[in-house]
Amino acid sequence: AQTVTQSQPEMSVQEAETVTLSCTYDTSESDYYLFWYKQPPSRQMILVIRQEAYKQQNATENRFSVNFQKAAKSFSLKISDSQLGDAAMYFCAYSASGTYKYIFGTGTRLKVLA
Amino acid sequence: GAVVSQHPSWVICKSGTSVKIECRSLDFQATTMFWYRQFPKQSLMLMATSNEGSKATYEQGVEKDKFLINHASLTLSTLTVTSAHPEDSSFYICSARDPKVAGGETQYFGPGTRLLVL
Repeated sequence: AQTVTQSQPEMSVQEAETVTLSCTYDTSESDYYLFWYKQPPSRQMILVIRQEAYKQQNATENRFSVNFQKAAKSFSLKISDSQLGDAAMYFCAYSASGTYKYIFGTGTRLKVLA
Repeated sequence: GAVVSQHPSWVICKSGTSVKIECRSLDFQATTMFWYRQFPKQSLMLMATSNEGSKATYEQGVEKDKFLINHASLTLSTLTVTSAHPEDSSFYICSARDPKVAGGETQYFGPGTRLLVL
């Protein structure tokens, strides 16, 4: 069975600094997708970034980038120039290609300090 | 694009009554919608997958007769919590998949519905 692990329940970062959130997963599939979602206090889930497993290039969206290590089954999220609005719960999710179902990690609460 | 709405945003009901939650994809046709439940400070737990025009597929441990799901059109799925009890109080979130988006694996989430059963 596939699993997603986020080992950091909580992280803090100073405003304008960089922080990395970790995510590991376990799967025997070769074709899958990985996602990072942000859930602010409003509880609206917002897509931050997505990565296709067949792409070696790490995905980037403005201040957000990932370090995708397929062999190590690791998918970390780097947030650069952290802003107060980045404070939220961050969930890592896995989806095997064709299933369309997500498996979520337990989440990491990110605090941004002014 | 890819906006999903939910209604109501929160509801309080008496024990024993039924509550219906609507999930709509506003600017795309969603062949597949998903219903999740989230307890405080926890992750999202998938309850069921809803496919337009067919019966929903429930995850193990989710009572089909308790949580009725109907996906009557390509833009609307409903979750009815039947004979609600206090233990059904939770935050319910729907999501929808846009098959036309490259890599149609991406789910777009509604804002959620907070249910409180007294």
